[in-house]
Amino acid sequence: QKEVEQDPGPLSVPEGAIVSLNCTYSNSAFQYFMWYRQYSRKGPELLMYTYSSGNKEDGRFTAQVDKSSKYISLFIRDSQPSDSATYLCAMGFSGGYNKLIFGAGTRLAVHP
Amino acid sequence: GAGVSQSPRYKVAKRGQDVALRCDPISGHVSLFWYQQALGQGPEFLTYFQNEAQLDKSGLPSDRFFAERPEGSVSTLKIQRTQQEDSAVYLCASSLVGTVNTEAFFGQGTRLTVV
Repeated sequence: QKEVEQDPGPLSVPEGAIVSLNCTYSNSAFQYFMWYRQYSRKGPELLMYTYSSGNKEDGRFTAQVDKSSKYISLFIRDSQPSDSATYLCAMGFSGGYNKLIFGAGTRLAVHP
Repeated sequence: GAGVSQSPRYKVAKRGQDVALRCDPISGHVSLFWYQQALGQGPEFLTYFQNEAQLDKSGLPSDRFFAERPEGSVSTLKIQRTQQEDSAVYLCASSLVGTVNTEAFFGQGTRLTVV
C-alpha cells in the first residue's frame, strides 16, 4: 500500500462546476499537506499549503485537512477550462527538510 | 533566470548509454531536490542537497544513479548504463531553505526515453 493514495481520474466536468479532489494517507507522521497543479509537460507548481486540520481558502480554491481520518481534499469553485491539469497532493514531515511524498495525481478536464 | 532551469528538455538514450541531466536552481536557493516522475504517476523523491552536501540519497533506485552539486549551485544527475525502466521525467526543485514549510519550485523536467 502506498503512503499516499489518490484517484487518478480522469475527471471531466463542465465549466462552472465545483470540483472535489481527494487524497488519503497512511502515515500519521505527516504534518504538512500541499496541493500542486501540473500542466502537461510542465513542472508542478504549488497551489495550496496547510499544516493543520481544518479549511484554508485562497480565491476559488479551498484545501481541507482531516488528520483524524487521514484525508485531505481540494475544492475548486467555478471551475474554468484553464483549470484543466493534473492535481497532485503532497505531504511532508515536520522537523525536517521538505522531502515531499506525492500522490499519483488526478487528471482534471474542464470543458466549456 | 527567474525559475529552475533543466537541460536538456528531452533526451533519448540507447540502452546501456550513460546520461547526464543538468539543473540550474533559482539563484541563492540552498536546497535542491531531484524527483523521478514515471508516466501517470506522481513525482518520487530521489535525492536532496543542502548547498554542496548531499544529505539524503535514499531514493536513488540503484548504484547506477549518481548526483552531485559540487559548488552548491548547479546540480547534475547522472545515470550510468541506462535501462528501459529509467524512462521517466526527471524533475529538479529548489527552495530557499530546506524546511518543509518553504515552497519548493520545480523545473520543467527532463524527459528521458531509453530505447
